[in-house]
Amino acid sequence: AQSVTQPDIHITVSEGASLELRCNYSYGATPYLFWYVQSPGQGLQLLLKYFSGDTLVQGIKGFEAEFKRSQSSFNLRKPSVHWSDAAEYFCAVKGSSNTGKLIFGQGTTLQVKP
Amino acid sequence: DTAVSQTPKYLVTQMGNDKSIKCEQNLGHDTMYWYKQDSKKFLKIMFSYNNKELIINETVPNRFSPKSPDKAHLNLHINSLELGDSAVYFCASRETADTIYFGEGSWLTVV
Repeated sequence: AQSVTQPDIHITVSEGASLELRCNYSYGATPYLFWYVQSPGQGLQLLLKYFSGDTLVQGIKGFEAEFKRSQSSFNLRKPSVHWSDAAEYFCAVKGSSNTGKLIFGQGTTLQVKP
Repeated sequence: DTAVSQTPKYLVTQMGNDKSIKCEQNLGHDTMYWYKQDSKKFLKIMFSYNNKELIINETVPNRFSPKSPDKAHLNLHINSLELGDSAVYFCASRETADTIYFGEGSWLTVV
């Protein structure tokens, strides 16, 4: 069965520091992978996605993610974090059925120190 | 113009009541979903409709009944609300390229 693991439940970084959020997936074929962000009291916003092609994908708000098939990973990165990046981040994989449903990781809470 | 809109955003109700959450998308997508986010922020799919036809019905109590009057709308009706139903409910829709867009969420609190 497909699954997504986000090993870090909570991460704290200083403003201006670099950020990497980890995501590991379990999927038999080539996965469709997503990162979403949820700001406090808000909905889910798509940051970026990977379907195929270049394994380094760029997203909104200065985020990027790299797909590594050998490591079954899709880690999210940002070179310099802003205080407004404090939020919950979710990695997701599209399930194998044609329904398109997403299977989410448990999320990583990002706290940004001034 | 909100692409996927849900109403109400906040709902506080007593146990045993029946309530509905409405969802509309103006993206022209054929497929819509309801996801539930529990108190630990875990997101799990509940239902999916494709062009008014139910295609996913995960293990959800039958007190929850989705209804899709047309492909732009997917409403969620909940009967006999229980404390454990307190959660954030997200509506979403999917474009043919498999990207899913979520609404702002509906915060349901059962007291």
